[in-house]
Amino acid sequence: EAQLLESGGGLVQPGGSLRLSCAASGFSFNNSEMNWVRQAPGKGLEWLSYISTSGSTIFYADSVQGRFTISRDNAKNSLYLQMNSLRGEDTAVYYCARETLRAAGAFDYWGQGAPVTISS
Amino acid sequence: DIQMTQSPSSLSASVGDRVTITCRASQSISIYLNWYQQKPGKAPKLLIYGASSLQSGVPSRISGSGSGTDFTLTISSLQPEDFATYYCQQSYITPGTFGQGTKLEIK
Repeated sequence: EAQLLESGGGLVQPGGSLRLSCAASGFSFNNSEMNWVRQAPGKGLEWLSYISTSGSTIFYADSVQGRFTISRDNAKNSLYLQMNSLRGEDTAVYYCARETLRAAGAFDYWGQGAPVTISS
Repeated sequence: DIQMTQSPSSLSASVGDRVTITCRASQSISIYLNWYQQKPGKAPKLLIYGASSLQSGVPSRISGSGSGTDFTLTISSLQPEDFATYYCQQSYITPGTFGQGTKLEIK
């Protein structure tokens, strides 16, 4: 069974940093394009970042460009999101998500979500 | 960025009802439109990709249609497990923007 498991969420002060991890199992991670999506409390979904299978192609939403860095380690079946210069508006549940092999940009596997709270 | 607008924002219906949710894109996105269902405290679940292709394991009472800028998600006969929030998402161009969501509640 395919599974994505996020870790690393928590409470951080404004201006601080946090690194999220997403451990994949049950599918071919090294052949899967991966993304991060977040959801602020009571709000909708916001796509944040994409990384290709090799890591050679990366995209970011304008809201996190220059502050967040996506990366992956195919040997460890893991996806990462390094978040720096965190702001109150970054408070959200962060999901890692796999792009389905059948349709680019559609996400068929999601993690359970990692809650991140930015507060002093 | 492409803006995605869903209507209605909320909807009350009864078990057995037929319901339709609409999603409109700010520019043409061909058929690069996906639908997700999300229940409280859970991750979204892919229902439809490519505007009308049913994701594996999703019941056939759920269907999608449309192309260009106007799309619909239809549930032919509501079941208790269908009460949730639904999101459309365009995957035509990065960033893959989502609609604001439609909350489907029990009447």
